Amino acid sequence: QQQVKQSPQSLIVQKGGISIINCAYENTAFDYFPWYQQFPGKGPALLIAIRPDVSEKKEGRFTISFNKSAKQFSLHIMDSQPGDSATYFCAASGLNSGGYQKVTFGIGTKLQVIP
Amino acid sequence: KAGVTQTPRYLIKTRGQQVTLSCSPISGHRSVSWYQQTPGQGLQFLFEYFSETQRNKGNFPGRFSGRQFSNSRSEMNVSTLELGDSALYLCASRFIGTGNTEAFFGQGTRLTVV
Repeated sequence: QQQVKQSPQSLIVQKGGISIINCAYENTAFDYFPWYQQFPGKGPALLIAIRPDVSEKKEGRFTISFNKSAKQFSLHIMDSQPGDSATYFCAASGLNSGGYQKVTFGIGTKLQVIP
Repeated sequence: KAGVTQTPRYLIKTRGQQVTLSCSPISGHRSVSWYQQTPGQGLQFLFEYFSETQRNKGNFPGRFSGRQFSNSRSEMNVSTLELGDSALYLCASRFIGTGNTEAFFGQGTRLTVV
C-alpha cells in the first residue's frame, strides 16, 4: 500500500525553468512533510520540510506548497540549475500506534536540469 | 561531528547466503532506521530501532532482521538471499526528542546478489 504517491517519476527541465514535483497522501494522521534530495552515490539529505498548519514554506529557490484539504503537497524549484539534478523524495511522517514517529517516502523523482 | 557510517559500502553475495550490514549513527542519535532502495520501488522502510528495541516495522519477510546495540549501533541481517534482494540499503539516524526530527542518512551499502 503506497501511502505517499509521488509524481512524476522523472522530470527534465531547462536551466532557469521551474521544476514541480507533486505528492499526495492518504493518512490524515501525518503531521510532518519533509523533502529529501539525493545525489548519485550519496544518501538522501533533508532539503526542506513543512507542517500542516502552514500552506507554504520557502527556502531560497525551494518552496513547498501544502493543501491540507486535498491532502497534497508539492515542491517547486525556481530558476532550476544543473546542480539541482538529483533524485527528490517527498515523505510524510506521523506517530504509529506505539507513539513513535514513522516516516513514509514517496517513490522518488529523478530530476535532470539541462543547460 | 561524524555522519552516519555504513559498512561495508559494497557487497557481492550468492543466492542462498546470508549477509550482515552495519550502521553507526551520529553521536547522540538513538534511533536507527533501515531502508531498501531500488529503482522501481523508491525507499522502502524495513524497520526502526530505538533503545535496542524495534519500534516500527515495514512489510518485509522475516528473512530481514535487525538489532541495535547499547551504543546505538545497528546491524541488519538478510538470510537466504534472493536475486531480488539486490539493492542499496540505507541507514538513517535520528535524535529522539519531542515531535518530529530530521533523519540523517548514511551513504548506503550496495548489495548485489548473484
